[in-house]
Amino acid sequence: DAKTTQPPSMDCAEGRAANLPCNHSTISGNEYVYWYRQIHSQGPQYIIHGLKNNETNEMASLIITEDRKSSTLILPHATLRDTAVYYCIVRASYNQGGKLIFGQGTELSVKP
Amino acid sequence: DGGITQSPKYLFRKEGQNVTLSCEQNLNHDAMYWYRQDPGQGLRLIYYSQIVNDFQKGDIAEGYSVSREKKESFPLTVTSAQKNPTAFYLCASSLRGGPLHFGNGTRLTVT
Repeated sequence: DAKTTQPPSMDCAEGRAANLPCNHSTISGNEYVYWYRQIHSQGPQYIIHGLKNNETNEMASLIITEDRKSSTLILPHATLRDTAVYYCIVRASYNQGGKLIFGQGTELSVKP
Repeated sequence: DGGITQSPKYLFRKEGQNVTLSCEQNLNHDAMYWYRQDPGQGLRLIYYSQIVNDFQKGDIAEGYSVSREKKESFPLTVTSAQKNPTAFYLCASSLRGGPLHFGNGTRLTVT
């Protein structure tokens, strides 16, 4: 399974865009990039996922580079409630179990 | 509302006792998962099941056991063989190839 690398922490001003980077240089062609976030003492929350095209939903946008070796999660207008640990995960193909392997994540602090 | 229910939220046990954590989902998901999280750490996979009556070991299965007799239920037993059982335990489920949906976890403390 491909591994991911994220910065351990980031700060963002309330109302500004939060751009969270992730490197996944060993990703293979059939592996998706998933993003989750976890607020303290709660279960992780699914945010978004993509294969090679950029994706957008009501929570965030996902930008994947053309070579698929890195991606960026964008929270367009960060609020204090977006303070959480954000995990970037590359998902193994379903035939191998479809399990998610979580790294250390990025602790995002949104400040007033 | 559909979702995943883990119970109880907090659980306390004495060392040497087995304990079973409950996980129920009404999302009609085929796959279910158990993860463990230690303070300041990411999630580590214990067991997963893609279909009823079948399950596979994850990365840290030693000292744990599971069963999958019903689609909706995937209980995890923490046995006395688990050397460091105190942790936050998270259950999740998914449709085939879809994103995982997590419960809100059970915090187990063994003294």
